[in-house]
Amino acid sequence: DQQVKQNSPSLSVQEGRISILNCDYTNSMFDYFLWYKKYPAEGPTFLISISSIKDKNEDGRFTVFLNKSAKHLSLHIVPSQPGDSAVYFCAAHGSFSGAQKLVFGQGTRLTINP
Amino acid sequence: NAGVTQTPKFRVLKTGQSMTLLCAQDMNHEYMYWYRQDPGMGLRLIHYSVGEGTTAKGEVPDGYNVSRLKKQNFLLGLESAAPSQTSVYFCASKGAVVGNQPQHFGDGTRLSIL
Repeated sequence: DQQVKQNSPSLSVQEGRISILNCDYTNSMFDYFLWYKKYPAEGPTFLISISSIKDKNEDGRFTVFLNKSAKHLSLHIVPSQPGDSAVYFCAAHGSFSGAQKLVFGQGTRLTINP
Repeated sequence: NAGVTQTPKFRVLKTGQSMTLLCAQDMNHEYMYWYRQDPGMGLRLIHYSVGEGTTAKGEVPDGYNVSRLKKQNFLLGLESAAPSQTSVYFCASKGAVVGNQPQHFGDGTRLSIL
């Protein structure tokens, strides 16, 4: 039972354009959502997060949107830069989960073309 | 500041051999986690710990054991390695603070079981 799903394994975007990565979840008890970025041979690094009490959070070029009724979140990167090429994972946890255990999506490989 | 350090980075084992993966963090974090990442499946939680001397099972614990004898270290053991345990293993840690905080990851251990 995949509670967090990223249905696009890959995405290719031209440099300077907007990249939109999508994530869906099934567990309505999730209340905190995160995006991690991962380069080859490195560990995931935290990018941005959002609490379920908000519907938008911005940090520079990165914005995360949360639609609780649709159980959907998205990450917008604008403008996209070559250094943004990486695998992006969305993750979620709920207050019901002891130790705030994260559930991850499968990841989306983003390629920014010059 | 090293953050989360995993040892070794690479290892090849034969079926039936045993080994221990070491995770060390220097951030005085209470919570520590072990994940495995397989192609197309994201990161899945193996075991976790909420403090020194405590461990608990995650989503995929079978075939693994863990120990947290010191707060800064979290060990993952494979008693009798199987080819199905070929994967990339990530350790993460997080402070036990009020409110939501991201987990911090090491750079992974790539393990191949022949």
